[in-house]
Amino acid sequence: DGGITQSPKYLFRKEGQNVTLSCEQNLNHDAMYWYRQDPGQGLRLIYYSQIVNDFQKGDIAEGYSVSREKKESFPLTVTSAQKNPTAFYLCASAAGGVYNEQFFGPGTRLTVL
Amino acid sequence: QKEVEQDPGPLSVPEGAIVSLNCTYSNSAFQYFMWYRQYSRKGPELLMYTYSSGNKEDGRFTAQVDKSSKYISLFIRDSQPSDSATYLCAMSALDYKLSFGAGTTVTVRA
Repeated sequence: DGGITQSPKYLFRKEGQNVTLSCEQNLNHDAMYWYRQDPGQGLRLIYYSQIVNDFQKGDIAEGYSVSREKKESFPLTVTSAQKNPTAFYLCASAAGGVYNEQFFGPGTRLTVL
Repeated sequence: QKEVEQDPGPLSVPEGAIVSLNCTYSNSAFQYFMWYRQYSRKGPELLMYTYSSGNKEDGRFTAQVDKSSKYISLFIRDSQPSDSATYLCAMSALDYKLSFGAGTTVTVRA
């Protein structure tokens, strides 16, 4: 059963702590993405990776970091430098190529206490 | 001005009505247009996609693209309570990235 998994579903963090969100896909997709979703603002791109060991900043990369050591995995770290981290985080993957049909995971709700 | 504009609604219609959703955009390089459906607290799922201008129909759903007006639409015929969700438009300039609208929340009343 192919798909994208994200864990955990809910995450609580104290201010000043780093936290890592997991994203795994078994679709054999080359490209992976991280988005942040806030009410009324749609999806904003944080980071994306088109190939293993390479990634690019999106529109709102400040305070976040990623790695892409394996094709299947694209973890996102929310650092203490991110001023307003409470949000719904979505991971997506795409087969690559210009048409870029992205498939999304179920999301992680991060709340900073 | 945002690159993609979408009225957030909310939109409430009776069961069986036609739902009309739309987005406008400013980037003339966009060539690939998608609609995603997102149920509450879930990830978006791809509903329909079209390339360049024209219409595409899939069951009760019809997507239209008018590149000359930089305007895209999604119509849902014979709407059902199960269609209640947030609908997001997304566009690509064929550069590995998507630009999303803010999403329109739709409620279909039984």
